[in-house]
Amino acid sequence: QITLKESGPTLVKPTQTLTLTCTFSGFSLTSSGVGVAWIRQPPGKALEWLALIYWDDDKRYSPSLKSRLTITKDTSKNQVVLTMTNMDPVDTATYYCAHRQNGYAAPFDPWGQGTLVTVSS
Amino acid sequence: QSILTQPPSASGTPGQRVTISCSGSSSNIGNNYVYWYQQLPGTAPKLLIYRNNQRPSGVPDRFSGSKSGTSASLAISGLRSEDEADYYCAAWDDSLIGYVFGTGTKVTVL
Repeated sequence: QITLKESGPTLVKPTQTLTLTCTFSGFSLTSSGVGVAWIRQPPGKALEWLALIYWDDDKRYSPSLKSRLTITKDTSKNQVVLTMTNMDPVDTATYYCAHRQNGYAAPFDPWGQGTLVTVSS
Repeated sequence: QSILTQPPSASGTPGQRVTISCSGSSSNIGNNYVYWYQQLPGTAPKLLIYRNNQRPSGVPDRFSGSKSGTSASLAISGLRSEDEADYYCAAWDDSLIGYVFGTGTKVTVL
């Protein structure tokens, strides 16, 4: 059974850097084709894909946020870390991590429960 | 900044069939697979359809997906009260070199 859980601060101040950790079990990020993605959802709004890291350390970022995002993995700890710099109140959202199955055009499945991050002074 | 357009809402009575559309472009839906996710109130999204029309194990066959050109659709037949949720389409976008999600559709069972 694959599970993922997000952790990190619930409140950050504007201009600060957010660091979120996704801790997973039930799969290995060393398996060919596997990946972990980050997606966020502002309150009452739609989902927005942020970043994706693959088993071979290939990384993809949302073009609109690329300059602010860094995604890394620690396979020994079964963790993926997302950092977002220069946080702003508009970045207030629930942040999800999700498993990307191996294979061509694989979906995100399953997702973690999400963690709400509020940006406020 | 959703690039895939969905109707904000859809509704039906129990047992009815409801269809949700997802409109994109040649760089996303037109050239790539479409996924559908269901988000029940207060929960994380769950995969409903992948590769346009494939259902993961455990997803009832009341849910079906289709794609034509630069648009896709999700149909829910035999609507049930537990289908009340938000539904999102998604696809890879070749121009953005990233994933894009739809604007989301809230389904209400009357």
